[in-house]
Amino acid sequence: DIQMTQSPSTLSASVGDRVTITCRASQSINIWLAWYQQKPGKAPNLLIYKASSLESGVPSRFSGSGSGTEFTLTINSLQPDDFAAYYCQQYNSYPFSFGQGTKLEIK
Amino acid sequence: EVQLVESGGGLVKPGGSLRLSCAASGFTFSVAWMSWVRQAPGKGLEWVGRIKSKTDGGTTDYAAPVKGRFSISRDDSKNTLILQMNSLRAEDTAVYYCATDDGRHWGQGTLVTVSS
Repeated sequence: DIQMTQSPSTLSASVGDRVTITCRASQSINIWLAWYQQKPGKAPNLLIYKASSLESGVPSRFSGSGSGTEFTLTINSLQPDDFAAYYCQQYNSYPFSFGQGTKLEIK
Repeated sequence: EVQLVESGGGLVKPGGSLRLSCAASGFTFSVAWMSWVRQAPGKGLEWVGRIKSKTDGGTTDYAAPVKGRFSISRDDSKNTLILQMNSLRAEDTAVYYCATDDGRHWGQGTLVTVSS
């Protein structure tokens, strides 16, 4: 099974900052990686698919990159609405798996 | 508008069974591949399993912790996804979400609590 490792687990930042979250796969997943945002008590919301494709309706300050085993989610110019949890998920092979999550907090 | 509405959650004793349903609308359910994802209280997301559309074989895949105990099925005539959970354990306590396999659409989740 493919293990997904996200870092950092917690990230403190301020409005206007640029932040990067990293996700590493235990073996190559090509570009089959998605990023989700989740707010407390809500279902996850798809941000990025196929490693770098921005989901419709998602602000352009979100971007994804990477292939193989190393991926990043970058948020430019943080907005108050961006403080949430973020998860990567590989869908290259079953069983699909999520990273453990990154909680983005206000500094 | 796509809607996914889960139901059937609740309190169940260890070793018991529970059947979750997910009512789908706003899209052609019969051709959609569907997934279940769960989230234990205060924890991260965990993929549970997936079912393909019948036209693509209708096969299922499961995560190791639930394989042999959980079963995913679908009733395309009722636009409903089912998660049958047997031999429940305390560690199965979680909010269970149904979602389209592409991750674009999710339900609001239903809480399953396994406790004596």
